Amino acid sequence: AQSVTQLGSHVSVSEGALVLLRCNYSSSVPPYLFWYVQYPNQGLQLLLKYTTGATLVKGINGFEAEFKKSETSFHLTKPSAHMSDAAEYFCAVTEGVAGSNYKLTFGKGTLLTVNP
Amino acid sequence: ETGVTQTPRHLVMGMTNKKSLKCEQHLGHNAMYWYKQSAKKPLELMFVYNFKEQTENNSVPSRFSPECPNSSHLFLHLHTLQPEDSALYLCASSQQGQPQHFGDGTRLSIL
Repeated sequence: AQSVTQLGSHVSVSEGALVLLRCNYSSSVPPYLFWYVQYPNQGLQLLLKYTTGATLVKGINGFEAEFKKSETSFHLTKPSAHMSDAAEYFCAVTEGVAGSNYKLTFGKGTLLTVNP
Repeated sequence: ETGVTQTPRHLVMGMTNKKSLKCEQHLGHNAMYWYKQSAKKPLELMFVYNFKEQTENNSVPSRFSPECPNSSHLFLHLHTLQPEDSALYLCASSQQGQPQHFGDGTRLSIL
């Protein structure tokens, strides 16, 4: 069975500061990992994904995440927060099989607040 | 602009009403999903359809009845709902080996 733990349901940063959102996963097979963002009154938008290959993945809006197998982590970072980054962020894992449709397990989400 | 469109965006209904949620995707995907998003809980996968066939029913109560007439359309028929069913219902679609694309959801309130 797979699971996701997002440490911190609410993270607050100042504009221009580093953003770090933590995600740890559990999976019995090599995982595929995702970060999604949800703005108010909207659905989820894919930020980035890790399937195989390079462990540091870059996504949209300047975000990146690093897959660390030894730590079972996939933390999301951005060097400099912008006011428009304020949203809820979800980490998800799947025991993906190449070519199949993924069954995602989501974390509870982290609400990011950016202060001026 | 999302390629997954959900209607209505908001729905208020009584517990004895019958209503339907609609989801349409214009991305050519072969799989479609219903999720329930409640406050302070992880997204809950409800149903999965692959090529119009239901492949996952995550122990969802029978008062929720999905329908997938073709790969582009997905419905969720609702009847005799309970107050705890109030939530945001999200539809998603995907192509094999690719991440899911989500609609903006239907905010459902049960009176």
